[in-house]
Amino acid sequence: SQQGEEDPQALSIQEGENATMNCSYKTSINNLQWYRQNSGRGLVHLILIRSNEREKHSGRLRVTLDTSKKSSSLLITASRAADTASYFCATEALTGGGNKLTFGTGTQLKVEL
Amino acid sequence: DTGVSQNPRHKITKRGQNVTFRCDPISEHNRLYWYRQTLGQGPEFLTYFQNEAQLEKSRLLSDRFSAERPKGSFSTLEIQRTEQGDSAMYLCASRRQGAYGYTFGSGTRLTVV
Repeated sequence: SQQGEEDPQALSIQEGENATMNCSYKTSINNLQWYRQNSGRGLVHLILIRSNEREKHSGRLRVTLDTSKKSSSLLITASRAADTASYFCATEALTGGGNKLTFGTGTQLKVEL
Repeated sequence: DTGVSQNPRHKITKRGQNVTFRCDPISEHNRLYWYRQTLGQGPEFLTYFQNEAQLEKSRLLSDRFSAERPKGSFSTLEIQRTEQGDSAMYLCASRRQGAYGYTFGSGTRLTVV
């Protein structure tokens, strides 16, 4: 089953613009991770944020976490055509099944030249 | 580190046939996961192993599905009496116990005709 939803389902922007994706989840978590998936390929780990963290940066990526609202956002700054992919958030639960990732429904990002 | 390898990349089978997929994880990763992903959805957890022990199975894993990791290295996922609803991408991932990031393979795309 899916942990929650991502918003928007699809996003189309111009190269150089920023892209923001939001993720909501349902249960208490140990950590939240973001993954990228190019069409028909496996997933690539981008960034992880622990439940006691509020913001994390990695290169052009910025992720925030609000555990009170059970939500997270991923910001990609200065987007490039190569960023075109599907982006998924995934959570590891705090208890009872915390040894696996539960994924959201994903955001399809298209970056146009 | 050669990554997670999955074979075959694509499999087309007739309804009712049995199929088997193989996953070779990163050698020092003792945890191995199987996920299923249908078009437009996020990956859904099927099962995971710690070494050779299968520690959790999803309700998605019906009696027709069986997974093994006999020597704690590679794993196989078998689907018996395939149905059209089994058509999906089957993803394998591995990680070291205590580490957070999961490494995914490129997946096996199954089409049941």
